[in-house]
Amino acid sequence: AQSVSQHNHHVILSEAASLELGCNYSYGGTVNLFWYVQYPGQHLQLLLKYFSGDPLVKGIKGFEAEFIKSKFSFNLRKPSVQWSDTAEYFCAVKDDYKLSFGAGTTVTVRA
Amino acid sequence: ETGVTQTPRHLVMGMTNKKSLKCEQHLGHNAMYWYKQSAKKPLELMFVYSLEERVENNSVPSRFSPECPNSSHLFLHLHTLQPEDSALYLCASSQQDRNGYTFGSGTRLTVV
Repeated sequence: AQSVSQHNHHVILSEAASLELGCNYSYGGTVNLFWYVQYPGQHLQLLLKYFSGDPLVKGIKGFEAEFIKSKFSFNLRKPSVQWSDTAEYFCAVKDDYKLSFGAGTTVTVRA
Repeated sequence: ETGVTQTPRHLVMGMTNKKSLKCEQHLGHNAMYWYKQSAKKPLELMFVYSLEERVENNSVPSRFSPECPNSSHLFLHLHTLQPEDSALYLCASSQQDRNGYTFGSGTRLTVV
């Protein structure tokens, strides 16, 4: 099964700052890649996904992610965060039918 | 609402109790999953049901027993749990290989 690593455990930043969260997975082949977000007290929601094609994927709420095959990476970015982006972010890799998650990154945006 | 409904939202149970978690989806999905979410740890896949057949059991202790009576319902039966089993239990469903999962809001389980 895939192993998914998220490099940052907790990120604290101010509004309007740029955000980048790292994600690496353990081995190649055909994989589907996802970022999920979990706002405080809410369920996991899909931010964006990559299956094939353009490695730069745009998702909801101004988020985007870039798939770099040679680095086994799928980093999440947002140019300018808002207070409402405070949440926990999970990278996930689907290999066959199994969805494996990273440990998550808690993002705190200060007003 | 996500289309995946989990009940109850919160559950406190003693170590000798028997309880069940319920998950229901009306999205027409053909696969359902149980995950365990503990603080500061990756989500742990516990069980996978595809077309109502169990296809994955990730070395989960026998005190957790899943049941999938039809494609819309999934249960997790709990018996003689330990305090370390306290966690958020998430149900998810999916349809087709190229899609992500739709998650329920989870059941927050506390074992005392």
